[in-house]
Amino acid sequence: DAGVIQSPRHEVTEMGQEVTLRCKPISGHNSLFWYRQTMMRGLELLIYFNNNVPIDDSGMPEDRFSAKMPNASFSTLKIQPSEPRDSAVYFCASSTWTSGRQYEQYFGPGTRLTVT
Amino acid sequence: AQSVTQLDSQVPVFEEAPVELRCNYSSSVSVYLFWYVQYPNQGLQLLLKYLSGSTLVESINGFEAEFNKSQTSFHLRKPSVHISDTAEYFCAASNNAGNMLTFGGGTRLMVKP
Repeated sequence: DAGVIQSPRHEVTEMGQEVTLRCKPISGHNSLFWYRQTMMRGLELLIYFNNNVPIDDSGMPEDRFSAKMPNASFSTLKIQPSEPRDSAVYFCASSTWTSGRQYEQYFGPGTRLTVT
Repeated sequence: AQSVTQLDSQVPVFEEAPVELRCNYSSSVSVYLFWYVQYPNQGLQLLLKYLSGSTLVESINGFEAEFNKSQTSFHLRKPSVHISDTAEYFCAASNNAGNMLTFGGGTRLMVKP
């Protein structure tokens, strides 16, 4: 199994530019999560999807952030315009979800974003 | 709302010594508990989980954790650590309200020779 795939692994961009992070979940998983990790704030859940539908986006910092999941095998997290304080490692995770059952989440390797 | 507290941000320990990483959660309903490990420059990997049944759960590399409902704790232990156990460890909890996990702040385990 290839696991959760994220691209790019590293991204360096200038303030004001648009950034798009990509994620391919594990085949067969129907839940997908986007997290952000920084030294100051630790691991934060930004948004998650069940069956391609956004369920909770209360962790999205502001309108500059948006996430989509057009199909079961692909999701994007977009930042427009980017700011230096967006610098962080962004993780995607996927899981199986059925009502009444809890399954573990599998994490991708992360995208290290640096905004200068 | 669910919350998870890891009381120690860093735990230094010598190789072959025992270690305990503490985790407390808050929940008034059924809870599912997890420990994840993050090695440098990598994503989080599941170490062990408690979903139901036996309150003592074990991982393949010698870690174990015990679910204690009365103390709302899920501490992680290993009787003898190795240098390779140096990593950050995250405790997480869920009450299956939509499959969300709430993570603790993490504990950095530093194993010294």
